[in-house]
Amino acid sequence: EVQLVQSGAEVRKPGESLRISCKGSGYDFPRFWISWVRQMPGKGLEWMGRIDSSDSYSNYSPSFQGHVTLSVDRSVSTAYLQWTSLKASDTAMYYCVRHSSSSSELDFWGQGTLVTVSS
Amino acid sequence: ETVMMQSPVTLSVSPGERASLSCWASQSVTSNLAWYQQRPGQAPRLLIYGASTRATGVPARFSGSGSGTEFTLTISSLQPEDFAVYYCQQYNNWPPYTFGQGTKLEIK
Repeated sequence: EVQLVQSGAEVRKPGESLRISCKGSGYDFPRFWISWVRQMPGKGLEWMGRIDSSDSYSNYSPSFQGHVTLSVDRSVSTAYLQWTSLKASDTAMYYCVRHSSSSSELDFWGQGTLVTVSS
Repeated sequence: ETVMMQSPVTLSVSPGERASLSCWASQSVTSNLAWYQQRPGQAPRLLIYGASTRATGVPARFSGSGSGTEFTLTISSLQPEDFAVYYCQQYNNWPPYTFGQGTKLEIK
């Protein structure tokens, strides 16, 4: 069974750093891209970026370029989303999602990680 | 960037009735269009990909149609568990992948 299990909810202050994780299981992790999707409270879905799990090549949405970094550790089948300086506007639910194949639809979703940024 | 637009924002339908949700793209996305369902408090779930192919385990009452810039998701006979928010997403012109703003399907 394909699963993406994300790390737990986080509370941080503005300016702090954070890394959240997404562990894949039940499939050959390096063969599939991972995207990250943001959902702000009461709002819709926003694609942030994707990473090729085989070589760590990434693409970012212009809206998120330079503010977040995607990475993977193939040895533990885990993808990461990282911020170096959080803002209050980063408060949201973040989902990691697997692409069914290259440049394709998003077939399996993690359960989401709620990030709250508040002073 | 390809802008995706959905209509209506909210759709009120009675259980057992048919619902049609629309999605438009600002430029052609060929058939590279997916639909997702999000129930309250849950992660989204893939329903339809390639504009018209049901994902594994999706009931036959869900169907998708369209190509180019106009797409429709139809639910033939609404069940209680179908009342949720539905998003379309294009994966033809990327980056970025883009989602519609969502249609909330509510019980009439």
